[in-house]
Amino acid sequence: DAGVTQSPTHLIKTRGQQVTLRCSPISGHKSVSWYQQVLGQGPQFIFQYYEKEERGRGNFPDRFSARQFPNYSSELNVNALLLGDSALYLCASSLNDYGYTFGSGTRLTVV
Amino acid sequence: AQSVTQLDSQVPVFEEAPVELRCNYSSSVSVYLFWYVQYPNQGLQLLLKYLSGSTLVKGINGFEAEFNKSQTSFHLRKPSVHISDTAEYFCAVSDTGNQFYFGTGTSLTVIP
Repeated sequence: DAGVTQSPTHLIKTRGQQVTLRCSPISGHKSVSWYQQVLGQGPQFIFQYYEKEERGRGNFPDRFSARQFPNYSSELNVNALLLGDSALYLCASSLNDYGYTFGSGTRLTVV
Repeated sequence: AQSVTQLDSQVPVFEEAPVELRCNYSSSVSVYLFWYVQYPNQGLQLLLKYLSGSTLVKGINGFEAEFNKSQTSFHLRKPSVHISDTAEYFCAVSDTGNQFYFGTGTSLTVIP
């Protein structure tokens, strides 16, 4: 079975631009979560979606938004990018709680 | 709210020696505890998790961890490390099972 797939793997954006990151969960997994991992830090929770409904939101500004589609894939959008948004963005999926599988992440660099 | 403290940012250890990576958590409610490993340029891989029951949890790659409620700790151990264990290790806590709070990580370096 394919694991959690994230795209793109790397991208570079300019301050003020907008970015969309994509995640395809493991087949059958209905829950998707997003995490931000700044270099040298542990991942920080951004969002969790289950059955297309937002179930949790971390302490991130409104510039961050996400959605989940009927096929359970998900997008994370970040508007008005700041230098501090440079990070590895991780997507994780789960069939049920407690057993999340993470993707390899999207490395976002804001210049 | 929950938080996790990983007491050692870097742990060097010789190959075939035992290792312990320390993790302490704080929470006002019952929690679930996890250890993840991250190899360079990769995502997180679940090593083991404590949900309930036996306080000694065995995971993949020969790792185990012990939940100690009185000391609010969940230390990770391996009796004999290999070069391939060199990686970043993250302890995480959750009270719901779907939102994780991670520590800042411990970089394990296995020395040949």
